[in-house]
Amino acid sequence: QSVLTQPPSASGTPGQRVTISCSGSSSNIGSNHVYWYQQLPGTAPKLVIYRNNQRPSGVPDRFSGSKSGTSASLAISGLRSEDEADYYCAAWDDSLRGVVFGGGTKLTVL
Amino acid sequence: EVQLVESGGGLVQPGGSLRLSCAASGFTFSSYGMHWVRQAPGKGLVWVSRINSDGSSTRYADSVKGRFTISRDNSKNTLYLQMNSLRAEDTAVYYCARDYGGIDYWGQGTLVTVSS
Repeated sequence: QSVLTQPPSASGTPGQRVTISCSGSSSNIGSNHVYWYQQLPGTAPKLVIYRNNQRPSGVPDRFSGSKSGTSASLAISGLRSEDEADYYCAAWDDSLRGVVFGGGTKLTVL
Repeated sequence: EVQLVESGGGLVQPGGSLRLSCAASGFTFSSYGMHWVRQAPGKGLVWVSRINSDGSSTRYADSVKGRFTISRDNSKNTLYLQMNSLRAEDTAVYYCARDYGGIDYWGQGTLVTVSS
């Protein structure tokens, strides 16, 4: 049972826009930055969004993040086959005094 | 280029111990907090522990508190995780990761299997 709640799966066709949600509480998303990670099969996670809506260099501008209150979302526009991966949200939790993750969302490109 | 390379994983019996290492390069190791995060086979990411830049402050997930110890040697640019009293449920790939407000860079991971 993850502290942050994500849908287990999402899908879209090439070129489409998909959104993945992440729901938390006042002790995590409500008071701290949200980070998003992409994990391709058999590889380590890779940062795609930091501090709610910032993109690291090298991450395509098709990836964007937003946060409102105790929820956050990751949007991927112009969906491509190489975007097929697991996506995780994360944030610091002030009550638990540690990092909390969502359960992950498996994105399928149809 | 930031690089984090874990080592020390392997097969260990329940109740046994293992020490993981993470060699860091490409950045000023002594300026960053560091984390350990694990992922059981087919499951999601779970935070294990964090240490601040000079090693004076540590945090642990409840599931490992009292059994695992995080430490670092800034002179060797190396992060450690001492794991004692290992249980079957500790079986996972263990990643070391850099703290930049949140986690930014990850190592490739090392597999720990706890089984008799």
